[in-house]
Amino acid sequence: AQKVTQAQTEISVVEKEDVTLDCVYETRDTTYYLFWYKQPPSGELVFLIRRNSFDEQNEISGRYSWNFQKSTSSFNFTITASQVVDSAVYFCALAIQGAQKLVFGQGTRLTINP
Amino acid sequence: EPEVTQTPSHQVTQMGQEVILRCVPISNHLYFYWYRQILGQKVEFLVSFYNNEISEKSEIFDDQFSVERPDGSNFTLKIRSTKLEDSAMYFCASSEVRVASDLRNIQYFGAGTRLSVL
Repeated sequence: AQKVTQAQTEISVVEKEDVTLDCVYETRDTTYYLFWYKQPPSGELVFLIRRNSFDEQNEISGRYSWNFQKSTSSFNFTITASQVVDSAVYFCALAIQGAQKLVFGQGTRLTINP
Repeated sequence: EPEVTQTPSHQVTQMGQEVILRCVPISNHLYFYWYRQILGQKVEFLVSFYNNEISEKSEIFDDQFSVERPDGSNFTLKIRSTKLEDSAMYFCASSEVRVASDLRNIQYFGAGTRLSVL
């Protein structure tokens, strides 16, 4: 069975600080896909990134960056120079080859204080 | 930008009543999903649907639940006889493709329907 763990339940930082959200996953499958979603106060789940298990390149998109390390089964998400608008719940999720469902972590509630 | 639309945003019902939650997936998407999130807990997969058939379902999705695509645009989740423990946020999602290796295999979610069973 697959499992995703986001050990940080809540994080609170001051605006402009960098913050890293941790995600650790478990699967016996060799081919799998990792995702991050953002849930702002309005409630919808907003897709941020998808990463394939065979592609360990880190990715940067503006102030967002993702660090995928198969050796530690982690897919961490860093926000640089955080802004109040980054306040949301962030979910890490896993899908395996041949299955359609996403397995989500518990989510991390990120609060950016002005 | 195309989006998944869910109605209503909040549904209140009495225990034992039937409810239908509605979703309009993104128009060119062919694969549809329902997830739920009990307050304070993780988002859990319920069911996936393609070509008018359920393609995968979880243990949660028992005989009380059913899904349907009644027309070319709507996708519905019906709970036949609601229980208190069905109170949750229900999310609909859709994707363009199903093959996991396809880079277009991204599930896009709606804003959810909060179901309160009293």
